[in-house]
Amino acid sequence: DQQVKQNSPSLSVQEGRISILNCDYTNSMFDYFLWYKKYPAEGPTFLISISSIKDKNEDGRFTVFLNKSAKHLSLHIVPSQPGDSAVYFCAARRAAGKSTFGDGTTLTVKP
Amino acid sequence: DGGITQSPKYLFRKEGQNVTLSCEQNLNHDAMYWYRQDPGQGLRLIYYSQIVNDFQKGDIAEGYSVSREKKESFPLTVTSAQKNPTAFYLCASEGGPTEAFFGQGTRLTVV
Repeated sequence: DQQVKQNSPSLSVQEGRISILNCDYTNSMFDYFLWYKKYPAEGPTFLISISSIKDKNEDGRFTVFLNKSAKHLSLHIVPSQPGDSAVYFCAARRAAGKSTFGDGTTLTVKP
Repeated sequence: DGGITQSPKYLFRKEGQNVTLSCEQNLNHDAMYWYRQDPGQGLRLIYYSQIVNDFQKGDIAEGYSVSREKKESFPLTVTSAQKNPTAFYLCASEGGPTEAFFGQGTRLTVV
């Protein structure tokens, strides 16, 4: 039973436009949700997170939205840049527990 | 600089041999994790440790072993019992309920 799902394996957007990456989860007890960015042959790096008590968190071009009733979160990147091309992983965790990762979405930003 | 270091970056192993992957962190983090990533797939948890001298199996622990004798170190041994060991291995550490810090990964190839 996969508790965190990223249903879109890939996404392609034009430079300057908005990228929206989606993530669904099943466990209503998760306390934190995180997004990581990963380049090939490197380890993931933390991008942005949101607590379950909030519905939005913004950091520069990156905004994460949380819809608890739908058990859905999304990452918005505006404006998208070619350097944003990477694999994006959604993760969820309890405050005192291990993270559960989705399978990732490969974002390609075309110049 | 504080960080998490994996070595080696590339590793080749003959079938039937055990091999140990190194993971060291100087972030003073209590929790450490090992993940495996296969092409086109997400991060699957092998083992994790939330405190020195204690560790738990993750989702795919068969054929692997770990130790946590020091807070800074969490080596992973890929044994000959692991049927399909060729993969990209990632180590991570966490200091609290938020983001994880990942190493650069070790690509293991069985020849």
